[in-house]
Amino acid sequence: GENVEQHPSTLSVQEGDSAVIKCTYSDSASNYFPWYKQELGKGPQLIIDIRSNVGEKKDQRIAVTLNKTAKHFSLHITETQPEDSAVYFCAASRGYMDTGRRALTFGSGTRLQVQP
Amino acid sequence: KAGVTQTPRYLIKTRGQQVTLSCSPISGHRSVSWYQQTPGQGLQFLFEYFSETQRNKGNFPGRFSGRQFSNSRSEMNVSTLELGDSALYLCASSPTGGGYSNQPQHFGDGTRLSIL
Repeated sequence: GENVEQHPSTLSVQEGDSAVIKCTYSDSASNYFPWYKQELGKGPQLIIDIRSNVGEKKDQRIAVTLNKTAKHFSLHITETQPEDSAVYFCAASRGYMDTGRRALTFGSGTRLQVQP
Repeated sequence: KAGVTQTPRYLIKTRGQQVTLSCSPISGHRSVSWYQQTPGQGLQFLFEYFSETQRNKGNFPGRFSGRQFSNSRSEMNVSTLELGDSALYLCASSPTGGGYSNQPQHFGDGTRLSIL
């Protein structure tokens, strides 16, 4: 099955700096890579996703890059703010044409702390 | 548009009991997936339901079961509870799924289950 590794496990940055979180996956058939932000007491919130036919996607201060050959993808947050402090999870999944089934395999999470 | 609703938010049970958790997906969403989140194992896929049928299942024992109703609402049941079942149980919904098109999954805030 799929295995997703995520680094670093903790990341502390100063407000205004950039933050980068990296993930690698094992299943070359995976074709969908979402990123989630989880705040204390809340469920994971989808912040950005990318499909395997795209190399990069950007949404305001957040961007994701995908390298299919190396099987890794990264989350980039620019101009970090204290409200960006949370746990971030990467995930990977593949679609099955015959049954339509799917499941997200998650990385272990990165605790991001933005110091004011 | 209302998000994914999970009830109850908190639950305390003792070993050997059984428990039922409920999930109401986003209106119009037909796919519901369940995940278990623990500090040690992270986020792990339990099962996915679509059109009242279990479409995919993770590596959990048979004590974990679920079902989906015609209105797409889903329930998850855990029988003969063990201390290790203490976790945050998360439900996620997506529009349809099927084929290679991976559609975003949106999570509820979960049910925190504590086993005494």
